[in-house]
Amino acid sequence: EDQVTQSPEALRLQEGESSSLNCSYTVSGLRGLFWYRQDPGKGPEFLFTLYSAGEEKEKERLKATLTKKESFLHITAPKPEDSATYLCAVKERSGGFKTIFGAGTRLFVKA
Amino acid sequence: DAGVTQSPTHLIKTRGQHVTLRCSPISGHKSVSWYQQVLGQGPQFIFQYYEKEERGRGNFPDRFSARQFPNYSSELNVNALLLGDSALYLCASSLGLAGENTGELFFGEGSRLTVL
Repeated sequence: EDQVTQSPEALRLQEGESSSLNCSYTVSGLRGLFWYRQDPGKGPEFLFTLYSAGEEKEKERLKATLTKKESFLHITAPKPEDSATYLCAVKERSGGFKTIFGAGTRLFVKA
Repeated sequence: DAGVTQSPTHLIKTRGQHVTLRCSPISGHKSVSWYQQVLGQGPQFIFQYYEKEERGRGNFPDRFSARQFPNYSSELNVNALLLGDSALYLCASSLGLAGENTGELFFGEGSRLTVL
């Protein structure tokens, strides 16, 4: 069965303390890996799409990378406003048109 | 431009009742997907519709149904509500089917359903 596993479940950082979030996946045919940010009580907000191993995308303090089995979201010098839940999702090549989400990593950045 | 709009934002129902949730996609988007998000978990796929046809279905019972209208808006219906149906129901729109473009989903703010 297709799965998306994110770790850690929660991460507490001090402002300026860089770290990485992990997303491992098992799908029959990857058609894209996505990162979303979700604030409490809100819908997820799109951040990045990655399609092939070795690909990287950057946006402000965030950088997403992709290997054949996992993706990392690197957060450099985070600020309190980066506090949110970060969701990883994959679109599979078979089994219909659906995007499968992981459970997310809750990030807390303290000033 | 307006984003994805959902209604109602909050609602309370009792077990056994029926609920209808509504979604209007971003102008020009032809695909609508529905997700259920239980507190502390990631969104779970329920349905995807494109050009008024069902193009994907998740592992949900037949109590869940949906449809898409000619203007691309959509409704999610849930019959015989159970306590476990309490969740945030998210609607997402995209330009086309999965894989035809970047595949990114644009989400609404969700409908918070509480079943008592």
